[in-house]
Amino acid sequence: EVQLVESGGGLVQPGGSLRLSCAASGFTFSTYWMTWVRQAPGKGLEWVANIKEDGSQKYYVDSVKGRFTISRDNADNSLFLQMNSLRVEDTAVYYCTRGVTMFDPWGQGTLVTVSS
Amino acid sequence: DIVMTQTPFSLSVTPGQPASISCKSSQSLLHSDGKTYLYWYLQKPGQSPQLLIYEVSSRFSGVPDRFSGSGSGTDFTLQISRVEAEDVGRYYCMQGIQLPRTFGQGTRVEIK
Repeated sequence: EVQLVESGGGLVQPGGSLRLSCAASGFTFSTYWMTWVRQAPGKGLEWVANIKEDGSQKYYVDSVKGRFTISRDNADNSLFLQMNSLRVEDTAVYYCTRGVTMFDPWGQGTLVTVSS
Repeated sequence: DIVMTQTPFSLSVTPGQPASISCKSSQSLLHSDGKTYLYWYLQKPGQSPQLLIYEVSSRFSGVPDRFSGSGSGTDFTLQISRVEAEDVGRYYCMQGIQLPRTFGQGTRVEIK
């Protein structure tokens, strides 16, 4: 079964850091682009970042550029999102998903709350 | 960034009746490769989003044939021929032609 499981969310103060992980299974991880999408409480979906199969290309939404870093470990079938200088507006459920436009499957999401 | 605008904001439908959601993009989603990069996702209550339709009109694996997509250029429509109780949730269109990917604000579908 193709599966994505996120972890690493939690409560952090503004200006703090958090590292999200996404464990992939059931497919050849190293042959897919991977993407992070977030959803603020009660709001819609926002694309955050994606990374090419070999990690050689990475793209970010403007609001996180310079603060977030997407990375992957193909040997460990894992995707990461390092989030620094967190802001209140980064509060959201963060989903990892497979693909560059056709996003399937999605993980269950991990909640990041930025609050003092 | 490409702006995706969905209407209506919400929809209340009697089971067995049709439903239609409109999505308009601020730029054409027709790529030089001939494909149009418009997608539809459904987020059921308490669940993660799931892919319904890709490239305007192709149903993803396992998606019932009561769901159909149409449109071209900047104007797109998702239609449900006969709404069922399991179709409740929030529907999002998304463009895949340009980074950053952008979603519509979502259309909430509920059952009367």
